[in-house]
Amino acid sequence: QSALTQPPSASGSPGQSVTISCTGTSRDVGAYDFVSWYQQHPGKAPKVVIYEVNKRPSGVPDRFSGSKSANTASLTVSGLQAEDEADYYCCSYAGLKPIFGGGTKLTVL
Amino acid sequence: QVQLQESGPGLVKPSETLSLTCTVSGGSVSSASFHWSWIRQPPGKGLEWIAYIYYNGGSNYSPSLRSRATISVDTSKNQFSLKLNSVAAADTAVYYCARVRGEGGVFDIWGRGTMVTVSS
Repeated sequence: QSALTQPPSASGSPGQSVTISCTGTSRDVGAYDFVSWYQQHPGKAPKVVIYEVNKRPSGVPDRFSGSKSANTASLTVSGLQAEDEADYYCCSYAGLKPIFGGGTKLTVL
Repeated sequence: QVQLQESGPGLVKPSETLSLTCTVSGGSVSSASFHWSWIRQPPGKGLEWIAYIYYNGGSNYSPSLRSRATISVDTSKNQFSLKLNSVAAADTAVYYCARVRGEGGVFDIWGRGTMVTVSS
């Protein structure tokens, strides 16, 4: 059960958009519409920003959006703000066993 | 609102058993709407799911930790727990407890995490 593949880093200037990819297989990302994304600031617990591919929890800005195509899910952060600088992890349901991605460090330049 | 709080020793000796408890406030571990989970994060590394426990006491484990981990629930104390035996330095991590919602298992509420170091 390998981790999902994410780029180790991503960056963008304030106001720009950034997309982070999360690649799995036909047994996890490709098989279920149950991909979630978590934001983690240094020293803090993760916080869900997207669930079930493209749903936003209450309180999460609509600058955060999610999508999926085949075995790859994506998180897009539009209108980047300084507080968006954090680590982001994707997670996919894989038949009762969730799998996390390795994480992407998003830097706001 | 629902809050989760991890507790347990911050230092465990190699080959011994790591024991952690998660206390749930503002909600019930007996609710059929949710299940409960442990997740860990080694220093500077990513998240690793450890186990689920369901409202009816059923459980599910990461294949890589199944042989050493035990998750349990105490409804009278509104807590759930993790035991990990035969620990080694590689088990050093921040351990998080989390509430899990929905068929797809979104981790919607997390504890603040507790650092556990395995060292003699």
